[in-house]
Amino acid sequence: SQQGEEDPQALSIQEGENATMNCSYKTSINNLQWYRQNSGRGLVHLILIRSNEREKHSGRLRVTLDTSKKSSSLLITASRAADTASYFCAIKSGYGQNFVFGPGTRLSVLP
Amino acid sequence: EPEVTQTPSHQVTQMGQEVILRCVPISNHLYFYWYRQILGQKVEFLVSFYNNEISEKSEIFDDQFSVERPDGSNFTLKIRSTKLEDSAMYFCASSEVGWKGSTDTQYFGPGTRLTVL
Repeated sequence: SQQGEEDPQALSIQEGENATMNCSYKTSINNLQWYRQNSGRGLVHLILIRSNEREKHSGRLRVTLDTSKKSSSLLITASRAADTASYFCAIKSGYGQNFVFGPGTRLSVLP
Repeated sequence: EPEVTQTPSHQVTQMGQEVILRCVPISNHLYFYWYRQILGQKVEFLVSFYNNEISEKSEIFDDQFSVERPDGSNFTLKIRSTKLEDSAMYFCASSEVGWKGSTDTQYFGPGTRLTVL
């Protein structure tokens, strides 16, 4: 399966702390994207990282990609209660058009 | 900022009925997708659409499903005879480029919650 697998499945931290979520996959990828989903809502695109990139930043978000280990991580620094959501990695392999989503990490940021 | 919109936000239907879920992709995007998410489960790809035809579909997308771009703005998903297990959130997405580019960010709509009774 080319499905991304996030870990941990659930993460609970205090406001102000950093949150790190990991995604592992099995096939070679074209790119990998991270999405956020608030409960019962749509998917919000966070960051796309291409297979030839190793790190990308966007505000308080930092994504790394290690293609040799077939893994990616999403770091949220100085977390806020509003960051509480599920976070999904989605991988795009080869020349397929669809993204394969992992089961997600449920992040709870406690005030 | 342009966004993908979907209607209705919630659709309740009886088993065996036909439903049509509607999406308006971002205007300059050329590739369109449907995904679904059963409650508490992961997001699953259904179908991708380009140049007025299906370009890729999953095993979930059987003969009960069809997609159409009836005009220049709408993109629809039809389920001909709904089953209980079709209850899920259905997300439409669009991207500017598809498999030819590596920067094909897919932008998702807010979803339609389909409840089949």
